[in-house]
Amino acid sequence: GAVVSQHPSWVICKSGTSVKIECRSLDFQATTMFWYRQFPKQSLMLMATSNEGSKATYEQGVEKDKFLINHASLTLSTLTVTSAHPEDSSFYICSAQTDGAYQETQYFGPGTRLLVL
Amino acid sequence: QKEVEQDPGPLSVPEGAIVSLNCTYSNSAFQYFMWYRQYSRKGPELLMYTYSSGNKEDGRFTAQVDKSSKYISLFIRDSQPSDSATYLCAMRIGTASKLTFGTGTRLQVTL
Repeated sequence: GAVVSQHPSWVICKSGTSVKIECRSLDFQATTMFWYRQFPKQSLMLMATSNEGSKATYEQGVEKDKFLINHASLTLSTLTVTSAHPEDSSFYICSAQTDGAYQETQYFGPGTRLLVL
Repeated sequence: QKEVEQDPGPLSVPEGAIVSLNCTYSNSAFQYFMWYRQYSRKGPELLMYTYSSGNKEDGRFTAQVDKSSKYISLFIRDSQPSDSATYLCAMRIGTASKLTFGTGTRLQVTL
């Protein structure tokens, strides 16, 4: 149980285009999802916390107009990188937090590798 | 000073060795502790979750928490080449709060 999927697993796009990444909790409902980015050989950096039905909470220094987050249902959150530039190239990972009776913790998706040319 | 300190390694051990991975933290408000394993180009995988001082065992893995010393450890017994990965410690204050990660320790188990 506690499986999180991401789509796509990798994407290459031209500078100036927008890219949407989906994060789904497959076998549980997640009121809260998180979006991270990770640079090579570095730890995860939290970008934003996504709550179903409400606006996302962004970490300091993360542009909310550039990284649009939508959490429309208890099993789906999306991250849209708008007007992507080469410096946005990174590994984006989502996690979903379990709700309810058993220990709440975060389960991570497999990540999406974004390359902006 | 970072809230969570973790030696980045790399740590190289022979197959069958006992591995000890550690993190220290400065915020005494942290109450929940996790260890994740991350293979290259993959998302982190939850290995252990603890919320009290003491030991918790799961197969070849043992998580140890010492809140008085603000120190957590992950022990891997009978290490295998498939254990080669980056191990991230993570912790948080409450069940609904965000995770604070260590930088991760790269482990290499050699034949």
